[in-house]
Amino acid sequence: DVKVTQSSRYLVKRTGEKVFLECVQDMDHENMFWYRQDPGLGLRLIYFSYDVKMKEKGDIPEGYSVSREKKERFSLILESASTNQTSMYLCASSLPRQGGRTEAFFGQGTRLTVV
Amino acid sequence: AQTVTQSQPEMSVQEAETVTLSCTYDTSESDYYLFWYKQPPSRQMILVIRQEAYKQQNATENRFSVNFQKAAKSFSLKISDSQLGDAAMYFCAYTGNQFYFGTGTSLTVIP
Repeated sequence: DVKVTQSSRYLVKRTGEKVFLECVQDMDHENMFWYRQDPGLGLRLIYFSYDVKMKEKGDIPEGYSVSREKKERFSLILESASTNQTSMYLCASSLPRQGGRTEAFFGQGTRLTVV
Repeated sequence: AQTVTQSQPEMSVQEAETVTLSCTYDTSESDYYLFWYKQPPSRQMILVIRQEAYKQQNATENRFSVNFQKAAKSFSLKISDSQLGDAAMYFCAYTGNQFYFGTGTSLTVIP
């Protein structure tokens, strides 16, 4: 089974801190994604990556950056955390569209609270 | 731009009854996939069912089935014989080159 692991389930950080959310997948997937989930807004794409060292902005990239130095790891970085970044963060991975199975596999989510 | 719309924020169903969750989408692509994901209180997103756009036959997975109307861009999920464990948030999703998700429907199952 595909496994996507996020480093923390719960995280509390102070305003202005630099925050790292880590995600690792074990199925050699090319595509990796970071989403933010808020009530009534569904999942909104922050950043995604189709390959190592590649990154593309999603719908809400402001205040975030990402890093993908290895194929299995995709990190989300909050350069200076703010209270409006308090949210649930979901990491996902998938094969390329031409790779057969195309569904996204998700991590268990990180609930981040910025105080 | 692709959009996915779920117009029912909340739904409820009696145990053992059938419920249908609605989803519409907008796209100019001809080749795409549609999904329904379930997110229980544990927060783990679980794939419920998948539909390839080029297939006319509606997908079925045990008690879960879809009504895929490609021309109308509609993709509803029917849950038969509802069980308490079906209570969750359900997300409709579309993928062409990226994944797009609806805002979710919270399903309550009444014993």
